[in-house]
Amino acid sequence: AQKITQTQPGMFVQEKEAVTLDCTYDTSDPSYGLFWYKQPSSGEMIFLIYQGSYDQQNATEGRYSLNFQKARKSANLVISASQLGDSAMYFCAMREGGYQKVTFGTGTKLQVIP
Amino acid sequence: NAGVTQTPKFRILKIGQSMTLQCTQDMNHNYMYWYRQDPGMGLKLIYYSVGAGITDKGEVPNGYNVSRSTTEDFPLRLELAAPSQTSVYFCASSPQGAPGQPQHFGDGTRLSIL
Repeated sequence: AQKITQTQPGMFVQEKEAVTLDCTYDTSDPSYGLFWYKQPSSGEMIFLIYQGSYDQQNATEGRYSLNFQKARKSANLVISASQLGDSAMYFCAMREGGYQKVTFGTGTKLQVIP
Repeated sequence: NAGVTQTPKFRILKIGQSMTLQCTQDMNHNYMYWYRQDPGMGLKLIYYSVGAGITDKGEVPNGYNVSRSTTEDFPLRLELAAPSQTSVYFCASSPQGAPGQPQHFGDGTRLSIL
């Protein structure tokens, strides 16, 4: 079974619009963390945002926010006011098991249209 | 700050050859990881380590070996290279006891097996 599922292989969004990238996860560990990374075409992995399983509020970092619905085991990334530079692959990842193993989803390719 | 350094950046191997991908970090992180990323796909965990002398298998360990003799270094060994091991390999590290801290990634090693 997949630990992290990203069901949107590719998405388009108009510049300046908001976009939501979906992520669902599967774990029996009560303590876990969820991360979103951006990978531009140049290939590096850029950390965007983190949500802990015990965090009461949804995480926010600038234009990025995480819509965390624990009961549904979803951790969707919301990008507000999309910019051309947001075009990239986006990966959801989960850390569990005493914060050791980190597993990644298959990613969503976001393309921002002028 | 150097962060996580991977060498080489590119390599072409013949089937059956062996090689070692080097990874070193200067942040005194206890946790280190090796991932592979096939074209258009997410990152799959090969091996990880929680400290010097301690390593464990990830999702796709077959065909690889690792060692961790120091905190700084975490080399990945490919024995009897096969075309299926053509991929981009990422090394990452993160601090112990800080679940909200993201992984720090190297720039990757692009490996082709011909």
